[in-house]
Amino acid sequence: GAGVSQSPRYKVAKRGQDVALRCDPISGHVSLFWYQQALGQGPEFLTYFQNEAQLDKSGLPSDRFFAERPEGSVSTLKIQRTQQEDSAVYLCASSLSRLRGEAFFGQGTRLTVV
Amino acid sequence: TQLLEQSPQFLSIQEGENLTVYCNSSSVFSSLQWYRQEPGEGPVLLVTVVTGGEVKKLKRLTFQFGDARKDSSLHITAAQPGDTGLYLCAGARGATNKLIFGTGTLLAVQP
Repeated sequence: GAGVSQSPRYKVAKRGQDVALRCDPISGHVSLFWYQQALGQGPEFLTYFQNEAQLDKSGLPSDRFFAERPEGSVSTLKIQRTQQEDSAVYLCASSLSRLRGEAFFGQGTRLTVV
Repeated sequence: TQLLEQSPQFLSIQEGENLTVYCNSSSVFSSLQWYRQEPGEGPVLLVTVVTGGEVKKLKRLTFQFGDARKDSSLHITAAQPGDTGLYLCAGARGATNKLIFGTGTLLAVQP
């Protein structure tokens, strides 16, 4: 596709429910990042993939958060037993390679936990 | 934890005015990027600066990277309503070149 695509755009989850957020990066992009953005704030880093390898997961806030990119393209961010503080916009970004820091972002998934 | 502090946090100006947004850190970055984000959208890259002291111009926008590569500024000349949005600076760090974003500056340009 022409850009990074994320789905769903909006997700409402009941507290305790598991959710899965999908990211389709730009074709051929090696690097993939997940960010969490609270309202009116800058995005905060969650995790990084180089192809299928998850090289940095230092930003994941708890063991309820899990990300995968099994074939080095599409990635899924899973949140188990969602809590209200998980409510945020989850952004995915891809870049051509690790050395090229110009990242292209998707529109994000707005998660609301009620 | 935000390593990059932006100021001001909010800015409301009239069309035609000039403005400067600052992005400061105590850390050195290999490169620094500026993004603009509109409601319901992801951040869109405006510019990347790499060399200390570098100045880049993009139409009415002028970006400067500090000599020590710890800070940056964005100057907008003759602001227009279409410039309205959340401006984010982001520094690239570490082996993965992950982006550390600033706190953001919300700009509103009134017609």
